[in-house]
Amino acid sequence: DIVMTQSPDSLAVSLGERATIKCKSSQSVLHTSVNREYLGWYQQKPGQPPKLLIYWASTRESGVPDRFSGSGSGTDFTLSISSLQAEDVAVYYCQQYLSTPPAFGQGTKVEIK
Amino acid sequence: EVQLVESGGGLVEPGGSLRLTCAASGFTFSNAWMTWVRQAPGKGLEWVGRILRQSDGGTTDYAAPVKGRFAISRDDSKNMVSLQMNRLKVEDTAVYYCSVGLGKSDTDFWGQGTLVTVSS
Repeated sequence: DIVMTQSPDSLAVSLGERATIKCKSSQSVLHTSVNREYLGWYQQKPGQPPKLLIYWASTRESGVPDRFSGSGSGTDFTLSISSLQAEDVAVYYCQQYLSTPPAFGQGTKVEIK
Repeated sequence: EVQLVESGGGLVEPGGSLRLTCAASGFTFSNAWMTWVRQAPGKGLEWVGRILRQSDGGTTDYAAPVKGRFAISRDDSKNMVSLQMNRLKVEDTAVYYCSVGLGKSDTDFWGQGTLVTVSS
C-alpha cells in the first residue's frame, strides 16, 4: 500500500503571507500511461465535508481561488497558498488515487498567526 | 449540480449492524465509481471502500479494517449506493461520507456525511 505523509502537522501563518504544505508518498503516484500524477489536495473546514482543491497534482478545481497552487512529481508534492486569507483556515489533506487503497495524508491544520 | 445525501446513521451497540445509504443526483450515476470515506471524531480521513460501475464489473474494494464486515452495493435504477456494516466495533465510530469521482480524482464531490456511533 502507498503511504502518504504530510508535513507539518500544523502551521500558523500571518494574513497575506504564504503557507506551504508538503506531501510525500512512499511510492510514485505517476500514472505512466497518461503521464499524470494521481495526487489530489482537499480542504476541510470545521463541520464541513472535504472539498477538492487540486487534482492531478497541479490542476486547480473550478472555482478555487488562484492563490491555491499545487506542484510536484513522483513522490514529493506541495500545496501553496500564496496569500493566506481568513477563510483559508482549515485542515488540508493530500490523497493518492493511483492504487488501491487510495490513501490520505494525516492532514495539516492551517491557522492564522 | 452534483448532490450526495447520506442517511442511516445512528447509535448502535458493539456487534450490531447498520445500513447507510447515499442518494445521488446531478450526474450519470451508472457511469460513476462511488466511494465511502469515514472520519473518526477529531481525526483524519480514512478510505473505507469503493464500488466500480457495472461496465467495469461492479467490483468492490475495501480497507483492511473493514474487509469481511462491510459491504458496498449499488442500485443504478435508484441512483443509490449503500454501505452495509456488520459486526460493528467501537472504533468504527465516525462520520461516514459518500463521494464520487467524475474524472478528476476518486473523490471529486462529497456528501455532508452521516454520524455512526458504536457504543454500549
